[in-house]
Amino acid sequence: EAQVTQNPRYLITVTGKKLTVTCSQNMNHEYMSWYRQDPGLGLRQIYYSMNVEVTDKGDVPEGYKVSRKEKRNFPLILESPSPNQTSLYFCASSFEPQGWVSSGANVLTFGAGSRLTVL
Amino acid sequence: KQEVTQIPAALSVPEGENLVLNCSFTDSAIYNLQWFRQDPGKGLTSLLLIQSSQREQTSGRLNASLDKSSGRSTLYIAASQPGDSATYLCAVNPEISSNTGKLIFGQGTTLQVKP
Repeated sequence: EAQVTQNPRYLITVTGKKLTVTCSQNMNHEYMSWYRQDPGLGLRQIYYSMNVEVTDKGDVPEGYKVSRKEKRNFPLILESPSPNQTSLYFCASSFEPQGWVSSGANVLTFGAGSRLTVL
Repeated sequence: KQEVTQIPAALSVPEGENLVLNCSFTDSAIYNLQWFRQDPGKGLTSLLLIQSSQREQTSGRLNASLDKSSGRSTLYIAASQPGDSATYLCAVNPEISSNTGKLIFGQGTTLQVKP
């Protein structure tokens, strides 16, 4: 089944304890992205990656890191989590960025989400 | 700065009713507009994608329209069913973000269809 898999799905942690949210896709997509969803603010892009070893900041990258060592994996790293990073996180992937190929064959596929609470 | 607004924020209708969800955006320079469905614990699912050159797209009981010049889109759901209960999100892909793939999302309309 074609899918984007995120882990963990739920996590409660404490301020300053490093954590990684993993994201893996099995569709051979080149483009991957992380969003966070907060009440009243909607979904906002954190980081994106065009391909292996090519990553860049989105709108809200502060406090996050990413890496893209393999095409299928795009982990989100919180080096020193803080309470304002409590959120619902989504990983997404597509063959190309949405603006490059605008068709139903290039829809953005989302993971099921990871709900993170930082105390 | 592109902003996407969805009205209403919540909607409750009886089963079988036809309904319309509204989405507006402030900058008409977009590549496409998408409608997503969000179910608790299941992430987002793309429903319809309308390219900037298109006026509408249809999939089953869903029909989405796009009026780029006026900055509006509607999602029409025919003969609503309880299984349609979910949050519906509208998202635009701004031309200025073509190299980031970024989508700008509205805050969604939460739909409840009562049996």
